[in-house]
Amino acid sequence: DAGVIQSPRHEVTEMGQEVTLRCKPISGHNSLFWYRQTMMRGLELLIYFNNNVPIDDSGMPEDRFSAKMPNASFSTLKIQPSEPRDSAVYFCASSTGTGIQETQYFGPGTRLLVL
Amino acid sequence: SQQGEEDPQALSIQEGENATMNCSYKTSINNLQWYRQNSGRGLVHLILIRSNEREKHSGRLRVTLDTSKKSSSLLITASRAADTASYFCATDNQAGTALIFGKGTTLSVSS
Repeated sequence: DAGVIQSPRHEVTEMGQEVTLRCKPISGHNSLFWYRQTMMRGLELLIYFNNNVPIDDSGMPEDRFSAKMPNASFSTLKIQPSEPRDSAVYFCASSTGTGIQETQYFGPGTRLLVL
Repeated sequence: SQQGEEDPQALSIQEGENATMNCSYKTSINNLQWYRQNSGRGLVHLILIRSNEREKHSGRLRVTLDTSKKSSSLLITASRAADTASYFCATDNQAGTALIFGKGTTLSVSS
């Protein structure tokens, strides 16, 4: 099993540009999570999908952030327009069930730098 | 929001020593999980303990849970340099819809 796959691994962009982060969950997992990690705020849950449906998006910072899960094997997190304060490591995780009572498997992360 | 708080923030020990990290949380939980993060990597699940369990073991790891004190501890016995990492506790939120992670304990094991 390849585990959770994220791309790109690193992204450097300029303020105002659109950024799209991608995630492929582990096959058979029906829950997918997007997290953001910074030194100041730690690891924050942005949004959580179950069976491709967004369940909790209360962590999405503002309208500049959007996430989709068009099918069970792919999800995107988009930031438009990007700002320097969006610089962080973005993790995708997947799990079976709801992911709350079960193990979450994390991808390697996308390190985003917005200049 | 409900959140686990790890203590200490940083811990430095010698190889072979035991490392103990603590986690406190605010409201009742269904389960508590511990994760490890090596520098520059994603988090790796270590152990899950349910609210009706008091202690759980996995290899050199021992986790305890005291729901009356709303606290948990992670003990790593006979530590190795490879245990150097950040360790996070995570609890489910009140709605049961998400895991809330603490800020973590950074463990450094020197040989």
